[in-house]
Amino acid sequence: DIQMTQSPSSLSASVGDRVSITCRASQSISTSLNWYQQKPGKAPNLLIYGASSLQIGVPSRFSGSGSGTDFTLTISSLQLEDFATYYCQQSDSTPLTFGGGTNVKIK
Amino acid sequence: QVQLRESGPGLVKPLETLSLTCTVSGDSVISGLNYWSWIRQPPGKGLEWIAYIFYTGNTNHNPSLKSRITVSIDTSKNHFSLNLSSVTAADTAVYFCARGAYSGTYYFDYWGQGNLVTVSS
Repeated sequence: DIQMTQSPSSLSASVGDRVSITCRASQSISTSLNWYQQKPGKAPNLLIYGASSLQIGVPSRFSGSGSGTDFTLTISSLQLEDFATYYCQQSDSTPLTFGGGTNVKIK
Repeated sequence: QVQLRESGPGLVKPLETLSLTCTVSGDSVISGLNYWSWIRQPPGKGLEWIAYIFYTGNTNHNPSLKSRITVSIDTSKNHFSLNLSSVTAADTAVYFCARGAYSGTYYFDYWGQGNLVTVSS
């Protein structure tokens, strides 16, 4: 199984901050990496697919980069509605696996 | 607008079978390269992929759940289903269904709202 390791597991930030979350795969997954945002009591929402493609309707302050084993989700200017938990997910091979999540909290 | 909705009991007794159905609207389960998936999330924890199924009936499931999983699809009703047998308290979770779409890679672009299933006697 491909293990996905996210860091940090949580972070505190202020509105307007630039925030980066990293995701590392235990083996190369090319660009088969997706990012989701989840708010309490809700289903995850797709932000980025294929490591860097922005899902339709997602604000342009979200961006993704990376390939191989190391990936980054960046929020260029954090907004109130961005306080949530973020998950990466690899779709290179089954079993499909998710990172442990990063909880973005208000400082 | 594509919508998915899970349905099924909220409480299942230990060692019984958990059964959930996901009804799809706004799209056909017979649609190109899409697959239809189940994902779960224990309370306060992360996401775990369970299985997916294509409209052809081809399936793939998480080996961690071994032979307890059965997934099926009914193209005439535009829904797909999950059976998880011999449940224990460790199977208590919110169960999501989701569409796996393809554009160079697969990703989950539409999700149901989730169905909390508690395993308890």
